Amino acid sequence: EVHLVESGGGLVQPGGSLRLSCKASGFTFSTYAMSWVRQAPGKGLEWVSGISGSGYSTYDADSLKGRFTISRDNSKNTLFLQMNSLRAEDTALYYCAKTETYFDSTTGLWKSAYFDYWGQGTLVTVSS
Amino acid sequence: EVVLTQSPGTLSLSPGERATLSCRAGQSVDSRSLSWYQQKPGQAPRLLIYGASNRATGIPDRFSGSGSGTHFTLTISRLEPDDFAIYYCKQYGGSPRYTFGQGTKVEMK
Repeated sequence: EVHLVESGGGLVQPGGSLRLSCKASGFTFSTYAMSWVRQAPGKGLEWVSGISGSGYSTYDADSLKGRFTISRDNSKNTLFLQMNSLRAEDTALYYCAKTETYFDSTTGLWKSAYFDYWGQGTLVTVSS
Repeated sequence: EVVLTQSPGTLSLSPGERATLSCRAGQSVDSRSLSWYQQKPGQAPRLLIYGASNRATGIPDRFSGSGSGTHFTLTISRLEPDDFAIYYCKQYGGSPRYTFGQGTKVEMK
């Protein structure tokens, strides 16, 4: 059974940093892309970042302006999100999600098809 | 960036009724990247439909997806009490980013 458990959330001051983790089990972690999706209180879903199974390719939402970095340790079946220069608008529940991808031969890009398993999320609150 | 617009914002229906949820894209999108998710209060989203029309594992056949190009639809043929939730569509927004619609809340009438 696929299991994803996020951790590392908490209260941080504006301008601070936080590192989220997502421990995966129940599937061959290194062969799947992974993603982070966040949800601000009372709001909808927002894709944050994605990473290929190897960790070689990473993708971020333009709105983050390079403040977040996704990475993974396949030897430990763990996904990370390093968040720097945090702002109040980063306050959200952060989910990790196992990601199925497909190859678009038209563009030569690997794209996310869907997020088939999600963790329960870890809450990040940015406030002074 | 391709914007996804879901309608209606809220759907008020009774158990046993049919629910039709719409997801429109600002430009044509690849159906392979179009998926639908269900989210209940306090829970993580759950994958319902992928590739615009394929049910995910364990999803009842009262859920169906259709559409192509710029218009996609999620249909729940006969609402059950467990189906009252918020539904999101998601697609590849280009270069490379992914966007979700703003969600449709299906509430009990």
